[in-house]
Amino acid sequence: NAGVMQNPRHLVRRRGQEARLRCSPMKGHSHVYWYRQLPEEGLKFMVYLQKENIIDESGMPKERFSAEFPKEGPSILRIQQVVRGDSAAYFCASSPLVDSSPPDGYTFGSGTRLTVV
Amino acid sequence: GQQLNQSPQSMFIQEGEDVSMNCTSSSIFNTWLWYKQEPGEGPVLLIALYKAGELTSNGRLTAQFGITRKDSFLNISASIPSDVGIYFCAGQTSGSRLTFGEGTQLTVNP
Repeated sequence: NAGVMQNPRHLVRRRGQEARLRCSPMKGHSHVYWYRQLPEEGLKFMVYLQKENIIDESGMPKERFSAEFPKEGPSILRIQQVVRGDSAAYFCASSPLVDSSPPDGYTFGSGTRLTVV
Repeated sequence: GQQLNQSPQSMFIQEGEDVSMNCTSSSIFNTWLWYKQEPGEGPVLLIALYKAGELTSNGRLTAQFGITRKDSFLNISASIPSDVGIYFCAGQTSGSRLTFGEGTQLTVNP
């Protein structure tokens, strides 16, 4: 029973390039969340998606960032025209239900470490 | 937005000592969670608290949900070297988004 799978684990991009981060939720989970962690800080909520729907994107920067969770395939977090300040660890989590209780169902992946040079 | 103040930022202790860390908020949360993160990995859930005043244990870990619903603490008893890592509190109100504290870096000297 694989956990939440994120790839790549590490991603290096030059300023101005695009970064695509992928997240495959746990089997049976239809809700995906993306969080960003800057060095030596806690995780900050970005976006919450269900299949083909964005439920809450209140944590997403207004420009350059987008997320999707298509009917088939992984969830994608896309960052266009990356800047050095985008360097961070991006974590995906999944759960089977809204307001999953207990939150044991809210499982994090190992993250993608994005470095912008 | 909601913020969690977590303290201390870091702790350096000897193996066998007990550890205590806490989180406070200006907002009320319905659920408090404690996570541990090791280098290069995502957070792993340690303890979940659902009711104000609740005291829950998981092995050597004990956590409490404050009566005011604005705070929580985590205790680790008889620390061992593998307890090393960053501990995060997180609060949840409605919906599924979590608000995380800034973390407590724990170092255990053998």
